[in-house]
Amino acid sequence: QVQLVQSGAEVKKPGASVKVSCKVFGYTLTELCMHWVRQSPGKGLEWMGGFDPEDDETIYAQKFRGRVTMTEDTSSDTAYMELSSLRSEDTAMYYCARLLPSADVFHIWGQGTMVTVSS
Amino acid sequence: SYELTQPPSVSVSPGQTASITCSGDKLGDKHACWYQQMPGQSPILVIYQDTKRPSGIPERFSGSNSGNIATLTISGTQAMDEADYYCQAWDSSTWVFGGGTKLTVL
Repeated sequence: QVQLVQSGAEVKKPGASVKVSCKVFGYTLTELCMHWVRQSPGKGLEWMGGFDPEDDETIYAQKFRGRVTMTEDTSSDTAYMELSSLRSEDTAMYYCARLLPSADVFHIWGQGTMVTVSS
Repeated sequence: SYELTQPPSVSVSPGQTASITCSGDKLGDKHACWYQQMPGQSPILVIYQDTKRPSGIPERFSGSNSGNIATLTISGTQAMDEADYYCQAWDSSTWVFGGGTKLTVL
């Protein structure tokens, strides 16, 4: 049974960066395709990027290219999402989610990490 | 870029059938899935590959996908089904979500 446990809430100032972690339990990170999805307060889900098994590389939504970096530490089975040049519009809940490659769906989600950007 | 459109809200009486639609260009040529999100909770996958239910999802949840419209159907809707529902599809190495539909059971 895969479980994804994310780091705690963050408060950042505009222009700063934030790095959110997602630790995998029950599997090794190398067995998973990890993605990141965010949700602004009262809004819908927005895909940010993740590992594409078809292309064997990490890909990012166009909206976030140049500002987001997704990395993995296989020694600790932890995935990371770093977002830079933060602005107030980046205030959101950030989720890691395991992609089921055979179906292109996210079938296991972390509990979410709230990132607040405020001066 | 590919877009999926959902109605903002749907209302249903307890015990009745709720239908939530998701429209997109030639969506029937792709696979659609659906997530349920309760307030303050992470999303849960309830339908994938148009019609399949993950283990643990009640049989009252079903899906279909044809033409430009995918539909999530909840038969015998219960109060516990009140939640936000999101459709999702994959297109050209992009994972796309619909805007979400708030299901109210009243």
